[in-house]
Amino acid sequence: NAGVTQTPKFQVLKTGQSMTLQCAQDMNHEYMSWYRQDPGMGLRLIHYSVGAGITDQGEVPNGYNVSRSTTEDFPLRLLSAAPSQTSVYFCASSYSTPVLAGSTDTQYFGPGTRLTVL
Amino acid sequence: KNQVEQSPQSLIILEGKNCTLQCNYTVSPFSNLRWYKQDTGRGPVSLTIMTFSENTKSNGRYTATLDADTKQSSLHITASQLSDSASYICVVRPYGATNKLIFGTGTLLAVQP
Repeated sequence: NAGVTQTPKFQVLKTGQSMTLQCAQDMNHEYMSWYRQDPGMGLRLIHYSVGAGITDQGEVPNGYNVSRSTTEDFPLRLLSAAPSQTSVYFCASSYSTPVLAGSTDTQYFGPGTRLTVL
Repeated sequence: KNQVEQSPQSLIILEGKNCTLQCNYTVSPFSNLRWYKQDTGRGPVSLTIMTFSENTKSNGRYTATLDADTKQSSLHITASQLSDSASYICVVRPYGATNKLIFGTGTLLAVQP
């Protein structure tokens, strides 16, 4: 049981390049999400998915796309990288969405991808 | 102003000592409050989850308390170990929000031998 895995661990892009951050989980979790973590700020939700084929925007979705074709995988695409997207990106999963009223499901986070956009 | 404020920003303690980290929030009403531990270069790991009706929750040497009246939570670490060196993040889930968890910026704890 590998939990939540993310690749790559580090990435350097030039402005305007595109790339995909990979996220996979082997816990059969329905809920998956992407966060970014910037210095001096709390984690912020980018996109989330409550199941295969269903995605929705979070707090800071601009410049990012997601899709969820399988329960296991939830890739995050940067369409045209900008220096403002330099950050550490975390993928997380849980059995059910942690924002449901009364839900106390544990969220499991991946190890993160450190992205630098020049 | 962040709706979840943590203090202190950073803390240095000696191995074996106890410490208490604070979380003040303005989110109201709220559904639950979580504490996470984040080691350097790693993703956050859940320590405790408390609903609005709970006052305390323990996980080994970690004990979280919640006072919903004063909108304060604390995380108490007993008999600290070097492996406790990490950032500790408080997270509040507002009641009724569709997809929102509000994260604090964390307290960076360093345990020295």
